[in-house]
Amino acid sequence: EDQVTQSPEALRLQEGESSSLNCSYTVSGLRGLFWYRQDPGKGPEFLFTLYSAGEEKEKERLKATLTKKESFLHITAPKPEDSATYLCAGGSLGDYKLSFGAGTTVTVRA
Amino acid sequence: KAGVTQTPRYLIKTRGQQVTLSCSPISGHRSVSWYQQTPGQGLQFLFEYFSETQRNKGNFPGRFSGRQFSNSRSEMNVSTLELGDSALYLCASSLVWDTDTQYFGPGTRLTVL
Repeated sequence: EDQVTQSPEALRLQEGESSSLNCSYTVSGLRGLFWYRQDPGKGPEFLFTLYSAGEEKEKERLKATLTKKESFLHITAPKPEDSATYLCAGGSLGDYKLSFGAGTTVTVRA
Repeated sequence: KAGVTQTPRYLIKTRGQQVTLSCSPISGHRSVSWYQQTPGQGLQFLFEYFSETQRNKGNFPGRFSGRQFSNSRSEMNVSTLELGDSALYLCASSLVWDTDTQYFGPGTRLTVL
């Protein structure tokens, strides 16, 4: 069974204080590793898809990287508007479902 | 471009009742997936539909069912509601050639009393 584990559960940062979120996965035949952002009361918002080890993708202050066992979401010089729950999900080949981790709730204080 | 819409946004039901939730995907999207989100279990996959066919089903009891119509709109039904069915039900749609980029709706918050 596919397993996706995220750490830490919660992260409190000062504005400008860079940090990283971890996502470890056990997915048979990984089709892709996905990152989403979810704000309270809203559905998840797609951020990145990573397909192979060594791949990196960036969007504004966010950078996602992938190894054979883990993915990291780096937040550089965060701002209060980066406060959200960040979800990681894995998808298997030949399968249309996503297996989500529990998420990391990031709070950035001004 | 309008996003994924889900109706109703909030619903209160009692145990034993049944409920139907609706999802309208982004125009042009033909794949629709449903997820249940709870504080304890997080986001869990329910099922995925494409061209009115269920292609994948998660590990949920048979009380959970769904369907997709020819216009790609989808409904999910939960019969004989239990307290544990209280959750946020999320619908996501994607393009045929890019099923990896899923766009989620705001969800339907179901409370079972």
